[in-house]
Amino acid sequence: AQSVAQPEDQVNVAEGNPLTVKCTYSVSGNPYLFWYVQYPNRGLQFLLKYITGDNLVKGSYGFEAEFNKSQTSFHLKKPSALVSDSALYFCAVRPLNQAGTALIFGKGTTLSVSS
Amino acid sequence: SAVISQKPSRDICQRGTSLTIQCQVDSQVTMMFWYRQQPGQSLTLIATANQGSEATYESGFVIDKFPISRPNLTFSTLTVSNMSPEDSSIYLCSVRDNEQFFGPGTRLTVL
Repeated sequence: AQSVAQPEDQVNVAEGNPLTVKCTYSVSGNPYLFWYVQYPNRGLQFLLKYITGDNLVKGSYGFEAEFNKSQTSFHLKKPSALVSDSALYFCAVRPLNQAGTALIFGKGTTLSVSS
Repeated sequence: SAVISQKPSRDICQRGTSLTIQCQVDSQVTMMFWYRQQPGQSLTLIATANQGSEATYESGFVIDKFPISRPNLTFSTLTVSNMSPEDSSIYLCSVRDNEQFFGPGTRLTVL
């Protein structure tokens, strides 16, 4: 079965420090990988995606993610966290050879950035 | 990017009743999806609703409970039928237009 795992329910970091939100996946074939963010009482916003090419992908709001095929991981990172980054983050995957399918989501990780 | 609106944004309903959620997109899109996000949970795909064909439901979801209409390339509805408190969730419309975009969601509470 295809799945996405986000092992941490919550990540706490101080403002200005680097942050990492972890994601691992299990899919058949090569995947499209995504990160979305959900602010309170708002819809999901697309942050970034990996399809092919450079393993380090840059996205919105200074976020980046590193694709590691051998570890089947796609961790979200930011060099310096802001209080405004506090939100719920979802990792998602879609198999490359299944263009008609919807995204499969992880359970989400709450990021809390303290001032 | 596609802009998606949903109506209603929230509702409180009595058990046994039905609610129809509307999803409007500002551009024509072929692929549309309906997700459910239960409290404290991730997003679960309910069905895929492509224009011109019957909706395809995921395991655990059936047409009698969640009938879907997709009359054109910019609009869809999801009905939650014969509701129970377990149906209390956020229901999200989503479209694929190069990326996959999500509506703001409909927060449903069933008493």
